[in-house]
Amino acid sequence: KAGVTQTPRYLIKTRGQQVTLSCSPISGHRSVSWYQQTPGQGLQFLFEYFSETQRNKGNFPGRFSGRQFSNSRSEMNVSTLELGDSALYLCASSLESSGADTQYFGPGTRLTVL
Amino acid sequence: AQKVTQAQTEISVVEKEDVTLDCVYETRDTTYYLFWYKQPPSGELVFLIRRNSFDEQNEISGRYSWNFQKSTSSFNFTITASQVVDSAVYFCALDQVRQAGTALIFGKGTTLSVSS
Repeated sequence: KAGVTQTPRYLIKTRGQQVTLSCSPISGHRSVSWYQQTPGQGLQFLFEYFSETQRNKGNFPGRFSGRQFSNSRSEMNVSTLELGDSALYLCASSLESSGADTQYFGPGTRLTVL
Repeated sequence: AQKVTQAQTEISVVEKEDVTLDCVYETRDTTYYLFWYKQPPSGELVFLIRRNSFDEQNEISGRYSWNFQKSTSSFNFTITASQVVDSAVYFCALDQVRQAGTALIFGKGTTLSVSS
């Protein structure tokens, strides 16, 4: 079974621009979560989507947004990019069940903001 | 508040040595899940184990073993007879049981370097 895929793998943007990252979950997985990884803050939860609805949200400004499509694919958008947004953005997918599902991660998108 | 602490930032060992990675967590929940993930240089987080708070049995999988002690809020990970391929960053993570969905809280990670 194919794993979680993320596109693009690398991205370079300048301050003030916006960016959209894409994630395709493992087939049959209905939940998609996004995490930001930086050297200073480590891995931080951004948000989680299930059935096109955001179920959980981390402590990030409104510049960070996401959505999920009917096929469970997800996108996240960052508007008005800042230098501090440079990070590895990881997407994870999981089955829907009660309790905390195991999340399986993709290879990430490395965003550099200049 | 929930928190995961991995006090060891970096560990260096020589091949075939045993190594233990420490993980201490804080939560007020009585039901929760703990995880370990491995992040090799490629960047992808690889799932290793998931344990719920009601299951304190230790687990062994090949050279890997996990020791869960609720009394000390610890979930330590031991690699026996380490190999160069074990070199990676290892993350411990916590998730509460919520009405729906998930949101992992990660420790800062421990970088393990195994030399030949």
